Amino acid sequence: NAGVTQTPKFQVLKTGQSMTLQCAQDMNHEYMSWYRQDPGMGLRLIHYSVGAGITDQGEVPNGYNVSRSTTEDFPLRLLSAAPSQTSVYFCASSYGTGTYEQYFGPGTRLTVT
Amino acid sequence: GIQVEQSPPDLILQEGANSTLRCNFSDSVNNLQWFHQNPWGQLINLFYIPSGTKQNGRLSATTVATERYSLLYISSSQTTDSGVYFCAVVGYNQGGKLIFGQGTELSVKP
Repeated sequence: NAGVTQTPKFQVLKTGQSMTLQCAQDMNHEYMSWYRQDPGMGLRLIHYSVGAGITDQGEVPNGYNVSRSTTEDFPLRLLSAAPSQTSVYFCASSYGTGTYEQYFGPGTRLTVT
Repeated sequence: GIQVEQSPPDLILQEGANSTLRCNFSDSVNNLQWFHQNPWGQLINLFYIPSGTKQNGRLSATTVATERYSLLYISSSQTTDSGVYFCAVVGYNQGGKLIFGQGTELSVKP
């Protein structure tokens, strides 16, 4: 198993550009989520999905869109990048919600200039 | 929502020393995980431990759910233990939403 994979590893965007961060898992996990990590802080939840076709907002959803058309993939879209979105983005997955261990991808480091 | 507090915020050790990291949480939880974020930024799962005690090599963890705290023990520390240790919890009826503490930054000197 590759586990949770994320692409790209690094990305530089100009303000106003759009892009999609990719996340995939091969563990047949139903629950997937996106977090951002800013310097000196823990991770904060952006969006999550409890299964294909179902998504919901987390703590900091503004400026981000998600969709979940398959169990394996959970892309995160930035529609119009802003410098405040400069961060490291992590994708996570687990079998379900609540009492299941969550596993994280390697992260994408995004800089918006 | 649930508050997660970790202590100490920073810790410097000599190689070979032991340490205890603490995680306090403000409400009942049904998931508690410890992670190590290495200097390359990867989040490594250490323990899934909503209650009880687990050991994995030089690391062990104990969660006392009724008193709302968890402890991570590192024995005979090595330079490769350096990095940030995060505690994260999921509250009851909170789906899978992990709430992270601010982390403990550990530096192990040779």
